[in-house]
Amino acid sequence: GENVEQHPSTLSVQEGDSAVIKCTYSDSASNYFPWYKQELGKGPQLIIDIRSNVGEKKDQRIAVTLNKTAKHFSLHITETQPEDSAVYFCAVNTGFQKLVFGTGTRLLVSP
Amino acid sequence: DTAVSQTPKYLVTQMGNDKSIKCEQNLGHDTMYWYKQDSKKFLKIMFSYNNKELIINETVPNRFSPKSPDKAHLNLHINSLELGDSAVYFCASSQGAGGGSGNTIYFGEGSWLTVV
Repeated sequence: GENVEQHPSTLSVQEGDSAVIKCTYSDSASNYFPWYKQELGKGPQLIIDIRSNVGEKKDQRIAVTLNKTAKHFSLHITETQPEDSAVYFCAVNTGFQKLVFGTGTRLLVSP
Repeated sequence: DTAVSQTPKYLVTQMGNDKSIKCEQNLGHDTMYWYKQDSKKFLKIMFSYNNKELIINETVPNRFSPKSPDKAHLNLHINSLELGDSAVYFCASSQGAGGGSGNTIYFGEGSWLTVV
């Protein structure tokens, strides 16, 4: 089955710094790569996604880049704010109509 | 106007008991899911239903039985609860065939199950 690795598991940054989270996957047929943010006590929420026909997508302070050849994609958060503190999950689709989630990254943004 | 709502939010129960978690979505989605999140935050799909039909069953013990009376509801029944069942269970929904097709998955707030 699909294997999704996510790094780092924890990331601490100062407010205003950038944060980068990386995921690698194994199934070359995967073509949909979303990122979810989970705040404390809440369910995960989609923040950005990318499909295999593009290499980069931006939405204000967040961006996702995809390298299909190397089978990895990354989440970039610029000008981090304390409210960005959460657990972030990457996910990858498989041929069986499901998403496989990465192991999560706990991001802590200190004021 | 909660999109995906699940009850109860917290559930503490003894080993061996049978319990249910209910889920409803008002988004008009065709597909509903149950995910399990363990203490290390690993998020793993358990079941997926599309228009009341089971399409994904991730080798979950048969003590877990999902039931979908209609496409807006997907309940989870757990028999003979074990300590290892303690986790957060998330209900979710998406339009179309499922999360793998590129449709956004909307999660509920989670149900915290503690088995003692």
